[in-house]
Amino acid sequence: NAGVTQTPKFRVLKTGQSMTLLCAQDMNHEYMYWYRQDPGMGLRLIHYSVGEGTTAKGEVPDGYNVSRLKKQNFLLGLESAAPSQTSVYFCASSQGKQPQHFGDGTRLSIL
Amino acid sequence: AQSVTQPDIHITVSEGASLELRCNYSYGATPYLFWYVQSPGQGLQLLLKYFSGDTLVQGIKGFEAEFKRSQSSFNLRKPSVHWSDAAEYFCAVHNTDKLIFGTGTRLQVFP
Repeated sequence: NAGVTQTPKFRVLKTGQSMTLLCAQDMNHEYMYWYRQDPGMGLRLIHYSVGEGTTAKGEVPDGYNVSRLKKQNFLLGLESAAPSQTSVYFCASSQGKQPQHFGDGTRLSIL
Repeated sequence: AQSVTQPDIHITVSEGASLELRCNYSYGATPYLFWYVQSPGQGLQLLLKYFSGDTLVQGIKGFEAEFKRSQSSFNLRKPSVHWSDAAEYFCAVHNTDKLIFGTGTRLQVFP
């Protein structure tokens, strides 16, 4: 009964490095989302997907790319990490307008 | 543009006291509204949702919320707070395939 699983849970990068965050869901949900959470700013949507092979930009997409090659996986990429991307990243999935299910987050620090 | 406002950044209550967290939304049509709770180091957990019908909705952990269209509000209430309710609470409205979150209210509970 895993739900939404995020990998890794913690990561420290140097400025300019690249990395990929993985989100996997086992609920057969069509919709998947990537958010970032920063103090005092709530959750801001980075990118989302309404189905396999589709992606769309959210509120703060710059500096990030995503891919949804398989229905159960949603990848978030940072091509050239910047200190401003230090944040806690959350993945979520849902079926239509139904409530989103969240992972436990990835804490990412960019030095 | 659609938005969600949580006017209280931080609320402190004594254990056993009643609680009301405020949420105001801006949305043209009938909104789909949610309250989520986030414990430290965790992802978001759904407390309750409003889609239509009865304007008073019951959720988990003894929480309830009332939808008031005339006031564009969806306030969260609990008659008697427990120390374990200390967390951050987020109100959200569904808007075209995604959620718009408020900036959250941090609840502190004193014994």
